[in-house]
Amino acid sequence: GAVVSQHPSRVICKSGTSVKIECRSLDFQATTMFWYRQFPKQSLMLMATSNEGSKATYEQGVEKDKFLINHASLTLSTLTVTSAHPEDSSFYICSARGTGVFNEQYFGPGTRLTVT
Amino acid sequence: QKEVEQDPGPLSVPEGAIVSLNCTYSNSAFQYFMWYRQYSRKGPELLMYTYSSGNKEDGRFTAQVDKSSKYISLFIRDSQPSDSATYLCAMSGGGTSYGKLTFGQGTILTVHP
Repeated sequence: GAVVSQHPSRVICKSGTSVKIECRSLDFQATTMFWYRQFPKQSLMLMATSNEGSKATYEQGVEKDKFLINHASLTLSTLTVTSAHPEDSSFYICSARGTGVFNEQYFGPGTRLTVT
Repeated sequence: QKEVEQDPGPLSVPEGAIVSLNCTYSNSAFQYFMWYRQYSRKGPELLMYTYSSGNKEDGRFTAQVDKSSKYISLFIRDSQPSDSATYLCAMSGGGTSYGKLTFGQGTILTVHP
């Protein structure tokens, strides 16, 4: 149980284009999902908290107009990187909060974005 | 000072060794503690989670929490080459931070045959 999928696993796009990444909880409903960014050999950096049916909450320093988050259902959240630039190249990982009381999060496999 | 400090390693141990991974934290609001394992270019995998001080065991893994000292540990017994990965401690608290995790920097572990 508690499986989270991400699609695509890897994407290469040209500078100036937009890219959408999907995050799905496959066997449980997730009212809250999280989006992280991870640079090589570094820990995860929380970008935003996504709540089903409401606007996402962004961490300080994260541009909400550049990283659009939509959480339209209890099993799907999407992150759209708009007008991507090479500095947006990174490993993007989503997680979904479990239904238990421990706030445990289950992570997707990640999406490697390369902007050329 | 970071809220969560994790011994950066890297650690290199022989197969069969007992591994100790440690984190300290400064935020007294942290109530929930987790350990994740992350293989290269993969998402983190939840290994253990706990709430109270004391030990929690699951197979070869034991999570230990000492809230009075703000210190958590993960022990791996009979380590295997397949345990080679980055281990991340993570914590969360109540109130406005409910649900958000704060991660340690991660410890790279290599178990060699």
